[in-house]
Amino acid sequence: GENVEQHPSTLSVQEGDSAVIKCTYSDSASNYFPWYKQELGKGPQLIIDIRSNVGEKKDQRIAVTLNKTAKHFSLHITETQPEDSAVYFCAVYWVGGYQKVTFGTGTKLQVIP
Amino acid sequence: NAGVMQNPRHLVRRRGQEARLRCSPMKGHSHVYWYRQLPEEGLKFMVYLQKENIIDESGMPKERFSAEFPKEGPSILRIQQVVRGDSAAYFCASSPEGKGYTFGSGTRLTVV
Repeated sequence: GENVEQHPSTLSVQEGDSAVIKCTYSDSASNYFPWYKQELGKGPQLIIDIRSNVGEKKDQRIAVTLNKTAKHFSLHITETQPEDSAVYFCAVYWVGGYQKVTFGTGTKLQVIP
Repeated sequence: NAGVMQNPRHLVRRRGQEARLRCSPMKGHSHVYWYRQLPEEGLKFMVYLQKENIIDESGMPKERFSAEFPKEGPSILRIQQVVRGDSAAYFCASSPEGKGYTFGSGTRLTVV
């Protein structure tokens, strides 16, 4: 099965700084890589995703980069704000016969005002 | 278009009782997934269902746990004879074919 590693497990940044979270995966057939943000007491919310035919995708202060050769992808948050504080999960799956997602272990991001 | 609806939000059960967790997927979504999350931990896959079919239940304990997604009505995750170790947040997600998940707000089960 797919093996997904996510680093770091915790991350503290000053407000306005950038935050980067990285995930590596093992199955080269994986072709869809979403990122989820989970605030305290809530369900995970999809914030950005990327497919394997694209190297980078950006949405305002959030971007995701994908290196298929090295089998890793990263979430970049620029100009961090206190409301970015949450747990972030990467996910990996193959959109094919049937979907089965493997999640990373999560990164707890704290933005210090 | 309402999101994925889970109920109840909080459920307290005594050891040995049954817990029933409900999930109504987003309109038009035919795939339902159940995940369990322990405090301060990640999401663990339990089961993947399509209408009237269990596609993958490899993450679900063999005993006491069952899931269904009937032709009409919500998906149900059922835990019989609950034990303290079943206390967790249970999340349901749905998706259309080939797209990303939308998660519900979860059911927080506490076994006392």
